[in-house]
Parts: sequence; structure tokens; C-alpha cells
Amino acid sequence: GNSVTQMEGPVTLSEEAFLTINCTYTATGYPSLFWYVQYPGEGLQLLLKATKADDKGSNKGFEATYRKETTSFHLEKGSVQVSDSAVYFCALSGTYSGGGADGLTFGKGTHLIIQP
Amino acid sequence: DVKVTQSSRYLVKRTGEKVFLECVQDMDHENMFWYRQDPGLGLRLIYFSYDVKMKEKGDIPEGYSVSREKKERFSLILESASTNQTSMYLCASSPPAGGIYEQYFGPGTRLTVT
Repeated sequence: GNSVTQMEGPVTLSEEAFLTINCTYTATGYPSLFWYVQYPGEGLQLLLKATKADDKGSNKGFEATYRKETTSFHLEKGSVQVSDSAVYFCALSGTYSGGGADGLTFGKGTHLIIQP
Repeated sequence: DVKVTQSSRYLVKRTGEKVFLECVQDMDHENMFWYRQDPGLGLRLIYFSYDVKMKEKGDIPEGYSVSREKKERFSLILESASTNQTSMYLCASSPPAGGIYEQYFGPGTRLTVT
């Protein structure tokens, strides 16, 4: 079945450091790929998405490129801030399909801690 | 803005109680989902629904049931709560069209079963 693997962390970086959070997936067909972010005490928010191979999603300085050849969707940011401290989830669609609905398969989440 | 609301942020129940978790979305979305979130396990899909009165099982439906009587409301029911159902429960909704649209999440309900 479909699955998502991401580094679990915690990942601790200094402010202004370069960030990479790796995400690889196993899927049949052509899923859409997502990064969600969860700030402390809150629900998940979409950070960015890509719906087909070679698409690049970007938002708030974060980027990820849908690489079908390596089945990866790594999240990157050039200069992180303390406010980026959160849990980041990689996810793919198309695992559960019923009547047009698609449940998401999530990775286990990466806890990111940015120190001033 | 899409808004997904959940009836409680925190809930404490006793073993054996029947528990209802309510979720309401205001964007006329066809699809609604219930996940549970546990440390080290990420989010796992319990049930989803693509239309009123329709439901589909996800990864871990055992011990849960759902109800969707109205398009905007999707309820998760724990028939007889057990301590291993202590978790964070997240509701989400999305429009149709095969997964290319993101899901919008509520703030979550942290359920403790004692």
C-alpha cells in the first residue's frame, strides 16, 4: 500500500540556518503530495502542495519539488526563523478512494525547533 | 476562509462511556474525514464520508462509528470508550475531485479516557 517516510527529529537548528526535511513515498498511480504544518496547540495547516511530477510547491519561503524518479518531496527553506518551530507532516493523496473522496496518508511528522 | 470547527478542545471520559465528537464545516464541502494523531505514529485515518449518509472505513475503524446526517456535520462516535482511544482527534474537509485539493483541518479534540 501507499506509505510516506520522513525524518522524525527533533531537528534543532539555529535561526537563519538552511532547512531540509526529507520525505520519500511509495504509491501506486499518480498521487498529489502535500506538506502540512502544525503549530503548538493547533490543527494542521496546508503549507504547500504539488499535484504532478516536477511541480514545485512554495509558500512562506518554503519549497518542495515533486520528484517522481526518486519518489521524493523534500521540504526546504533557505533561512529559518524561530516562528518556524512546529511539526511538519508530509502527506500523499489517493490512498483511500470512495465516491470522489481521497483520504491522505501521512508521514509521522518532523518536530522542528529553531533556536535564536 | 474555510472553517472547520470541533465541538470540544479537551474532553475527559470514563472507560465504557459512549462518546460523541462533532465536526462542522462551513464551506459546503462534500468530503469529510476523521483522523487520530498519536506521538510517533503521525495521523491515521479512521473514517471518511463523501456524501450525506455515506461512509468509508480508513486504516483504523475498529471501535469507532460515524454519522453524517447533514452535509456540514460529521460525527465520530466511540461506542464504548477505552483507554487506548486516548488521543488527539482531528476532523478535516475537502471539496471533491480526486485528491488534488487540500484538506482543511479543525483544531482538534484531545480526548482522555480514564
